Amino acid sequence: SQQGEEDPQALSIQEGENATMNCSYKTSINNLQWYRQNSGRGLVHLILIRSNEREKHSGRLRVTLDTSKKSSSLLITASRAADTASYFCATAAGGQNFVFGPGTRLSVLP
Amino acid sequence: EAGVAQSPRYKIIEKRQSVAFWCNPISGHATLYWYQQILGQGPKLLIQFQNNGVVDDSQLPKDRFSAERLKGVDSTLKIQPAKLEDSAVYLCASGRLSGPNYGYTFGSGTRLTVV
Repeated sequence: SQQGEEDPQALSIQEGENATMNCSYKTSINNLQWYRQNSGRGLVHLILIRSNEREKHSGRLRVTLDTSKKSSSLLITASRAADTASYFCATAAGGQNFVFGPGTRLSVLP
Repeated sequence: EAGVAQSPRYKIIEKRQSVAFWCNPISGHATLYWYQQILGQGPKLLIQFQNNGVVDDSQLPKDRFSAERLKGVDSTLKIQPAKLEDSAVYLCASGRLSGPNYGYTFGSGTRLTVV
């Protein structure tokens, strides 16, 4: 299956700490996206990383992609209570649409 | 720019009843998607439109679900008759361009409860 799977399923950290979430997938992909979903809301696009890229940054977010290991990681530095949300990776292969994983639920405690 | 608008925000119906959801994408976005998100899971694509044509409906349960996007702008998703397992959040997303190289903008969703 192309579907990515996030790890861990749930993560709880203190405000100011860094949070790292991982996404593993099984087939070769063209690119991978990370989304955030606050409780009861829609998904917000964070970063898209293409298969020929190894790392991308956006503010406090850092995404890496290791195609040899078929994995990606999302790092949130200096976390804030407002970062509390579910984070999803979505993978795309060939001309197919993105397939979302089950998500990581992040709780940032004040 | 205005976001993706969805209505209603919440809906509770009895099984075997019918229900319809509405989505108005961001102006100028040619691609529109409907996703089903069951509690605790990631979104699952139901149908993708490019303008007013269907690009991918391979995961749409066509015996009970239907969707249309007349005039290539807003869209409706209908369930008839509803089953208990249809309880989920139905998300609409739109994109300026089609394909997996671009991010989507999601609406806030419609939470459906079938009792």
